[in-house]
Amino acid sequence: AQSVTQPDIHITVSEGASLELRCNYSYGATPYLFWYVQSPGQGLQLLLKYFSGDTLVQGIKGFEAEFKRSQSSFNLRKPSVHWSDAAEYFCAVAIGGSQGNLIFGKGTKLSVKP
Amino acid sequence: DGGITQSPKYLFRKEGQNVTLSCEQNLNHDAMYWYRQDPGQGLRLIYYSQIVNDFQKGDIAEGYSVSREKKESFPLTVTSAQKNPTAFYLCASSFSLNTEAFFGQGTRLTVV
Repeated sequence: AQSVTQPDIHITVSEGASLELRCNYSYGATPYLFWYVQSPGQGLQLLLKYFSGDTLVQGIKGFEAEFKRSQSSFNLRKPSVHWSDAAEYFCAVAIGGSQGNLIFGKGTKLSVKP
Repeated sequence: DGGITQSPKYLFRKEGQNVTLSCEQNLNHDAMYWYRQDPGQGLRLIYYSQIVNDFQKGDIAEGYSVSREKKESFPLTVTSAQKNPTAFYLCASSFSLNTEAFFGQGTRLTVV
């Protein structure tokens, strides 16, 4: 069955440090991949997406993600974390390219310490 | 401003009562979605609609119903048949099923 795994439930980083959030998916074909961010009590905001082409994608707020087919991964990175980045991050996969088959990971909560 | 509006932000209902959550979008999107979010869980799809007057069940449709009479609106009714309705509900929309979805701010439903 298709699935999305975010291995880290909670990560704490210092402000200014680099960040990498992991995402692995299980799907036979090339999926559409997304990273969303959610602040407490709020909706989800799209950070970036991968449909095809260049495997390194740039998103908003200084985030980037790299699609690695051989590892079935789509890890999110940021070179220098800001206190405002504290939130929950969700990786998602659109099976068959359809938003009607969008599978979410369980999320990684990011805390930022001063 | 274009966007997706969910109302109300907080909703309280007594057990056994049906309740309807509103979702309106002015983005001219054809597709709309309802998700349920529980603590420590990802989002789970309840229903989605690709076009007016058509909708499909998602992974957890039991105890929920929807309608899509207008392109802009996709209300969700949580019926008394839903065993555990207390959750955070998110509505989303996209131009089509093959483009990225944009989310509303959510409605937190508490059933007492």
